[in-house]
Amino acid sequence: SQQGEEDPQALSIQEGENATMNCSYKTSINNLQWYRQNSGRGLVHLILIRSNEREKHSGRLRVTLDTSKKSSSLLITASRAADTASYFCATDSFQKLVFGTGTRLLVSP
Amino acid sequence: SAVISQKPSRDICQRGTSLTIQCQVDSQVTMMFWYRQQPGQSLTLIATANQGSEATYESGFVIDKFPISRPNLTFSTLTVSNMSPEDSSIYLCSVEHNTEAFFGQGTRLTVV
Repeated sequence: SQQGEEDPQALSIQEGENATMNCSYKTSINNLQWYRQNSGRGLVHLILIRSNEREKHSGRLRVTLDTSKKSSSLLITASRAADTASYFCATDSFQKLVFGTGTRLLVSP
Repeated sequence: SAVISQKPSRDICQRGTSLTIQCQVDSQVTMMFWYRQQPGQSLTLIATANQGSEATYESGFVIDKFPISRPNLTFSTLTVSNMSPEDSSIYLCSVEHNTEAFFGQGTRLTVV
């Protein structure tokens, strides 16, 4: 399977804390993307980082990419209860997106 | 961006029956993608639907079980045929625009 692995599988934190999720993938990529899914609904695109980029910021999100290790991390700073969701990384492979296994984040008030 | 309307949002079906899921996009797109998400799992691509040609199925998925229609550049359907409880999943359609993927809200299917 080309599916990426994410860890942790589940993460439980308090509001205001930072949340870090990691993604490892297997093939060469053009870009890596992170998506969010609330309660088994449709996924929402969060951020894209290209293979020639090492770090990218968007609001409270920070993404890093290490192509030598085939890994990426997503950091959510100052988390809120509304950040509770599942987070998936996705890599493009032959014009198809391959999604990671996902991290379920629970942010408690 | 792209706005996708997917229906039904959920259904409970008897085993042996079929369900057709519809996906409408607010703009013309070349490819539409259908995914399955089994309970607690990640998304698995079922097939890619191109207008004017047969859908391209991924390993483990066959046309007889998951027939797909793509009559025009804004619409597609996925049918889950001869359903069994193992087909209970969320089914999602998706399109890509400027590398970013946009998703419908999903169809939560329960087969009893």
